[in-house]
Amino acid sequence: GAGVSQTPSNKVTEKGKYVELRCDPISGHTALYWYRQSLGQGPEFLIYFQGTGAADDSGLPNDRFFAVRPEGSVSTLKIQRTERGDSAVYLCASSLMSRDSTDTQYFGPGTRLTVL
Amino acid sequence: DAKTTQPNSMESNEEEPVHLPCNHSTISGTDYIHWYRQLPSQGPEYVIHGLTSNVNNRMASLAIAEDRKSSTLILHRATLRDAAVYYCILRDGYGGSQGNLIFGKGTKLSVKP
Repeated sequence: GAGVSQTPSNKVTEKGKYVELRCDPISGHTALYWYRQSLGQGPEFLIYFQGTGAADDSGLPNDRFFAVRPEGSVSTLKIQRTERGDSAVYLCASSLMSRDSTDTQYFGPGTRLTVL
Repeated sequence: DAKTTQPNSMESNEEEPVHLPCNHSTISGTDYIHWYRQLPSQGPEYVIHGLTSNVNNRMASLAIAEDRKSSTLILHRATLRDAAVYYCILRDGYGGSQGNLIFGKGTKLSVKP
């Protein structure tokens, strides 16, 4: 079956530009998460959606970062006025939002963003 | 979610068992212990989780100390494909474990042929 997919796999942009990163979750998964991973570090939480609404956006570093999920499926992470420090791998995950102890998150392969 | 402590790196020989430790001395009564791993150039993947009793699945076993302040992920026969960063994560299971995962730096496992 299809897993979580992310596009593009690599994105190179110039400082100050706007970028959009896309995530296609597993069909039927109501929860969607965005994480950012810098070299040598574990993934760092950015934002979490339940359906169409952002349930927790406390991890977004500043107002240059924004994410949407208008129909409760595909999500787009948007970064305005990119800075070199935004360079990282951006990971998306989805889960069923089951209320048991598991709620396994399934991750995509990530988008590697490089800001020159 | 409470904090976990893991060694930065470990080495293993192929076909031998591997024991990956995790300390979580401030674990609460409703925290589940989850393990994820991240293969090179991939997103993390779920390995196993448990609360109090030891757990086994097709990928690994999880041994949980009686006081729950530590746990050990056991790979019974390491293969080259098991070379990855392994993350030990606590999740509050009250009402269901939901919300974001809090990753540390994990343990980078190297497997020698």
